[in-house]
Amino acid sequence: DIQMTQSPSSLSASVGDRVTITCRASQDISNSLAWFRHQPGKAPKSLIYAASTLQSGVPSKFSGSGSGTDFTLTISSLQPEDFATYYCQQYNSYPLTFGGGTKVEIK
Amino acid sequence: QVQLQESGPGLVKPSDTLSLTCAVSDYSITSSNWWGWIRQPPGKGLEWIGYIHYSGSTYYNPSLKSRVTMSVDTSKNQFSLKVNSVTAVDTAVYYCARKPSGNLYSFDLWGQGTMVTVSS
Repeated sequence: DIQMTQSPSSLSASVGDRVTITCRASQDISNSLAWFRHQPGKAPKSLIYAASTLQSGVPSKFSGSGSGTDFTLTISSLQPEDFATYYCQQYNSYPLTFGGGTKVEIK
Repeated sequence: QVQLQESGPGLVKPSDTLSLTCAVSDYSITSSNWWGWIRQPPGKGLEWIGYIHYSGSTYYNPSLKSRVTMSVDTSKNQFSLKVNSVTAVDTAVYYCARKPSGNLYSFDLWGQGTMVTVSS
């Protein structure tokens, strides 16, 4: 199975801050990488697929980059709804696997 | 708007079968998509269980394959998950999700999730 490692596991930030989350795959996954935001009690929300393509309706403050084994998610200006847990997920090969999550908390 | 809603018993006894349904609203389940299940045990990460196409084709996580069955009911526009011989390790929040067909895409829409506890 492909292991997905996210860092950091948590971070504290303020409204308006720019934050970057990284995700590393244990082997080459090309650009088969998705990012999700999960607020407690809500349905996870798809943000990005194919490493850098925004899902329809997702604001441009979110951006993704990377290919191969190293990927990043950047949020350019944190808003209250962005304080949540973020997950990466590879879909290059079965079984599909997720990173352990990065919890973004209010400083 | 398109919505996915999980339903099923919140408590299942050990060795019994866990059965969940995901109702899809405002979207035809026979459209070109795969319909999946993902779970998250308390305090742990997300685990992909598998997904099914309305035609009946399936992909299951090998770690669960021997105990999992997925099915689609096109007349009710819903799909289902069964996990047999459950134990405490199957206690989790279970999510259903949609994955557009094609290698470019992953899950684009999720349900809110339903908590299932395995306990006597």
